[in-house]
Amino acid sequence: GQNIDQPTEMTATEGAIVQINCTYQTSGFNGLFWYQQHAGEAPTFLSYNVLDGLEEKGRFSSFLSRSKGYSYLLLKELQMKDSASYLCAVRPPLNTDKLIFGTGTRLQVFP
Amino acid sequence: EADIYQTPRYLVIGTGKKITLECSQTMGHDKMYWYQQDPGMELHLIHYSYGVNSTEKGDLSSESTVSRIRTEHFPLTLESARPSHTSQYLCASSELVGPYEQYFGPGTRLTVT
Repeated sequence: GQNIDQPTEMTATEGAIVQINCTYQTSGFNGLFWYQQHAGEAPTFLSYNVLDGLEEKGRFSSFLSRSKGYSYLLLKELQMKDSASYLCAVRPPLNTDKLIFGTGTRLQVFP
Repeated sequence: EADIYQTPRYLVIGTGKKITLECSQTMGHDKMYWYQQDPGMELHLIHYSYGVNSTEKGDLSSESTVSRIRTEHFPLTLESARPSHTSQYLCASSELVGPYEQYFGPGTRLTVT
């Protein structure tokens, strides 16, 4: 079966650091994506991990452990505009066209 | 900057009407996708296409149909709208080769009364 788990909601303070976790149990694995989605808007691509380790891109970093079926998105120096939903999506093997999405984590950043 | 467009952005329509949701992209991407997303829920793939004249059904059963006559255009049609079709519909596209990052359009929020 396919299952992706993320916390439903998180809150944080402007300037702080927040870590959003994602665990997955899928029939195989061929890459993990993180997307940001502001309310009423389209998801936008943040990061892609296919090998174990940390990928850093500015204030955002994403980590993957394939043996643990685990990823996290780390947001540093939080800004008010970071208030959004963060979607974890896994691409199963043998079918590079499909992404399996989690329900997303809604992050609220307070001043 | 991704260039993928959807029209209309919002649509309220009565039961039984036929509707077409438009999606166009100017990036020359071969792959295109339609997702359905209810508030607070995950995206579900309903249709995708590898290129012109290619259409495939996704994981979520849908009564909609799609066509791909031109690379840049991937419209979705509901022959007879029902209240159960009320949802947000998101179109996306990606290149033929990896890492297959998908670019999303702004979405169409459909309400069927």
